[in-house]
Amino acid sequence: NAGVTQTPKFQVLKTGQSMTLQCAQDMNHEYMSWYRQDPGMGLRLIHYSVGAGITDQGEVPNGYNVSRSTTEDFPLRLLSAAPSQTSVYFCASSYFLSSEAFFGQGTRLTVV
Amino acid sequence: AQTVTQSQPEMSVQEAETVTLSCTYDTSESDYYLFWYKQPPSRQMILVIRQEAYKQQNATENRFSVNFQKAAKSFSLKISDSQLGDAAMYFCAYRRGGANSKLTFGKGITLSVRP
Repeated sequence: NAGVTQTPKFQVLKTGQSMTLQCAQDMNHEYMSWYRQDPGMGLRLIHYSVGAGITDQGEVPNGYNVSRSTTEDFPLRLLSAAPSQTSVYFCASSYFLSSEAFFGQGTRLTVV
Repeated sequence: AQTVTQSQPEMSVQEAETVTLSCTYDTSESDYYLFWYKQPPSRQMILVIRQEAYKQQNATENRFSVNFQKAAKSFSLKISDSQLGDAAMYFCAYRRGGANSKLTFGKGITLSVRP
């Protein structure tokens, strides 16, 4: 049982480059979300999805895009990387909206 | 908007002793869920314990228990018989019941365990 799989685990980008963080879950969870973790800030919600074809913005959505074409996958796209996007990114999924969230192992992204 | 506050950035405990991590939250909802997550140095987020607001009984998971004070909007985590492996960052989190509810995290507390 793989759970939530995030790739890559580490990434270095140059300012202005674009990239996609991949997230896949094999638990048939409807609810998926992306967070960023910064020192002293906790985890902040970037975007989330309550099912295939449905996405919505979280607390810090600027500079990021998402799509949900299937139940399993929820990629996060950085359109034009900026140093302020240097962070650790987590993907999470849950079955019921009130249930616990299962997290991927995180991606440490550095933008130089 | 719901907020979750963890006012202590760091705490330390002696191995085998008991420590309590504090968390307060602000909400006008009556249906909600509270969680404590552990993040060890491996970075993996691990659910420690969960509490449903409608349940009066405090949740317990082995050495971990909570003190849920609904009227005071307080949700503290007690770790008994602390072990070296308990050293980690701990996050308190809130989720409103119902559709489209988001998980809101506190800023976290770093717990160190002294041998």
